[in-house]
Amino acid sequence: NAGVTQTPKFQVLKTGQSMTLQCAQDMNHEYMSWYRQDPGMGLRLIHYSVGAGITDQGEVPNGYNVSRSTTEDFPLRLLSAAPSQTSVYFCASSSDRDRDSGELFFGEGSRLTVL
Amino acid sequence: RKEVEQDPGPFNVPEGATVAFNCTYSNSASQSFFWYRQDCRKEPKLLMSVYSSGNEDGRFTAQLNRASQYISLLIRDSKLSDSATYLCVVNRRQTGANNLFFGTGTRLTVIP
Repeated sequence: NAGVTQTPKFQVLKTGQSMTLQCAQDMNHEYMSWYRQDPGMGLRLIHYSVGAGITDQGEVPNGYNVSRSTTEDFPLRLLSAAPSQTSVYFCASSSDRDRDSGELFFGEGSRLTVL
Repeated sequence: RKEVEQDPGPFNVPEGATVAFNCTYSNSASQSFFWYRQDCRKEPKLLMSVYSSGNEDGRFTAQLNRASQYISLLIRDSKLSDSATYLCVVNRRQTGANNLFFGTGTRLTVIP
């Protein structure tokens, strides 16, 4: 089972460059989300989606765009990378309508460095 | 104020010891509560849910005090394999959906 697949695993960007982090899940989960993890800050929610065609902002959405054209894919776009976006990014999905079970399936993470 | 606050540790304990982690949450509208485990440079994984009545899963016991907005995790008979970061997590509705909010984590190292 592939589960949640993120690519790339590592990326180095220069300030001002744009890029897309890819996320795909093969579990037919309606809910998908992107978090970033920084030392001392924990995991913070960037954007989430409750189904194809529906996206919404989390705690720290500025500088990021998302779209959800299919159930499987939820790409995260950095529009103009800044050093403050250096982080580990995790994509996560859930079949649980309201996350009452607490179970999110995470990808392995994408480590992004912006110079 | 952070949604979820935890003591970052680190907690260094010998094998066989009992260790307890605590966490507080700020939003009384939080609906459900969990502990996640994250190994070094890996993704987080659900460890267990936390119920008001308290619940056990083997050597792990979780408790919730809604009045104090306080969550705890107790690990008995610590094993080397318990070394990890433990994340306190709350589920709260935000705009259109329920989302999970994570604490910064408490790092545990179990020493031989």
